[in-house]
Amino acid sequence: DQQVKQNSPSLSVQEGRISILNCDYTNSMFDYFLWYKKYPAEGPTFLISISSIKDKNEDGRFTVFLNKSAKHLSLHIVPSQPGDSAVYFCAASARRGAQKLVFGQGTRLTINP
Amino acid sequence: DADVTQTPRNRITKTGKRIMLECSQTKGHDRMYWYRQDPGLGLQLIYYSFDVKDINKGEISDGYSVSRQAQAKFSLSLESAIPNQTALYFCATSDSGASGGAVDTQYFGPGTRLTVL
Repeated sequence: DQQVKQNSPSLSVQEGRISILNCDYTNSMFDYFLWYKKYPAEGPTFLISISSIKDKNEDGRFTVFLNKSAKHLSLHIVPSQPGDSAVYFCAASARRGAQKLVFGQGTRLTINP
Repeated sequence: DADVTQTPRNRITKTGKRIMLECSQTKGHDRMYWYRQDPGLGLQLIYYSFDVKDINKGEISDGYSVSRQAQAKFSLSLESAIPNQTALYFCATSDSGASGGAVDTQYFGPGTRLTVL
C-alpha cells in the first residue's frame, strides 16, 4: 500500500523554465511533508519542507505547495538550472504519530541546456 | 568530513552469508534509521532507533537485524543474505530536539550498494 505516490518517474525541462514535481498521499494523518534531492552515488539531501498549517513554503528558487483537500503537494523550481538534475523524493509523516518518514518512489528530473 | 558515514560503500556477497553494514555519525543526533532503496520503490524503512536502548521495526524488517552500539553507531545485519536483498542501503540520523516537534529533518549517509549473488 503506497501511502505516498509520485506518479511521474521522470521529467525533462528546459534550462530557465519552471520544473513542477508532484506528489500525492493517501493517509489523512500526515501533516508534515518534505522534499529530498538525490544525486547519483550520494545520499538524499533535505531540500524543503512544509507543515499542514501552511499551504505554501518558499526557499529561494524552490517553492512547495500543499493542497490538503486534494492530498497533493508539488515542488516548483524556478528557474531550473542544470545542477537541479537529480532524483527528487517527497516524504510525509504524522507529527503525533510514529515519527517516521514515508517516501514516494522518486521523480528523476533532467534539466536540458 | 562527512557527518554520516557508511561502510562499506560497495559489497558483493553470496547467498547465505552473514553481512554487516555499519553507520557512524558525528552530528550528535539521538535518532538513527536504516532504509533500503529499490528501483521504482523509493526508500523503505527497515529499522529505526530513537536512542541507544530503543530499537523499532520499520516497514520491511524481515531478514534484517540491527544493533545500536552507541549513540553514534547503528549497524544493520543480514543474518543469511538472499538475492532479493540486493539494493542500495542508506543510514540516516535526526535530532529529536532540533525543532521541538515530533518529526525532524533526516540526514543521510552516502549509501552502501549491496549485491547478493
